[in-house]
Amino acid sequence: QVQLQESGPGLLKPSKTLSLTCTVSGGSIRSSSHYWGWIRQTPGKGLEWIGSIYFSGTTYYSPSLESRLTVSADTSKNQFYLELTSVTAADTALYYCVRHVASSPWFPLLAGMDVWGRGTSVTVSS
Amino acid sequence: DIVMTQSPLSLPVSPGEPASISCRSSQSLLHNNGNNYLNWYLQKPGQSPQLLIYLRSNRASGVPDRFSGIGSGTDFTLKISRVEAEDVGVYYCMQTLQSPLTFGGGTRVEIK
Repeated sequence: QVQLQESGPGLLKPSKTLSLTCTVSGGSIRSSSHYWGWIRQTPGKGLEWIGSIYFSGTTYYSPSLESRLTVSADTSKNQFYLELTSVTAADTALYYCVRHVASSPWFPLLAGMDVWGRGTSVTVSS
Repeated sequence: DIVMTQSPLSLPVSPGEPASISCRSSQSLLHNNGNNYLNWYLQKPGQSPQLLIYLRSNRASGVPDRFSGIGSGTDFTLKISRVEAEDVGVYYCMQTLQSPLTFGGGTRVEIK
């Protein structure tokens, strides 16, 4: 059974870079049937897709975050990552890593996000 | 961006009674391959969201058959034939036809 576990700093100051890691167990991120992604949740904006990556390294970003965002992966460690630069209080959220089921070779034609991590809380505050 | 609108915001239901949640999209989610790229999730209290329905009407693994998804194009409905206590939480629809992927605002189901 595939499991995802997020890890990250918890608290960081405005203007810094947020770095999160998602460790995948019970399966490989080299799967051609899946993408891997990041979702965040806030009381005000609800659930928001951040970005996703395929095992080939191809990435897909939300336009609203693209200028500050990098999603990457290390297949040898079976991990994928999020880096978000120049954070503000608006980036305070619960961050989830997820597995997307690909229904076709093309993103974002997906058959849902069938595995979610437990989420890691990130607070941006001075 | 495709805007997803759910209704109602809150839905009190008695155990054993049916429930319906509506989701409307600002653009058709019907692809020319015949699939509607609409998924439903349930976030139970204190938990991560879980996939209930994918591609409009397909139940995810382990999801009871009292859950069903119908609709096409821009109008979709999640139906629960007989609500049980374990079904409480917030239900979200989400589209995966176009990037950026977008979610509805959620419908909170509670037991009367």
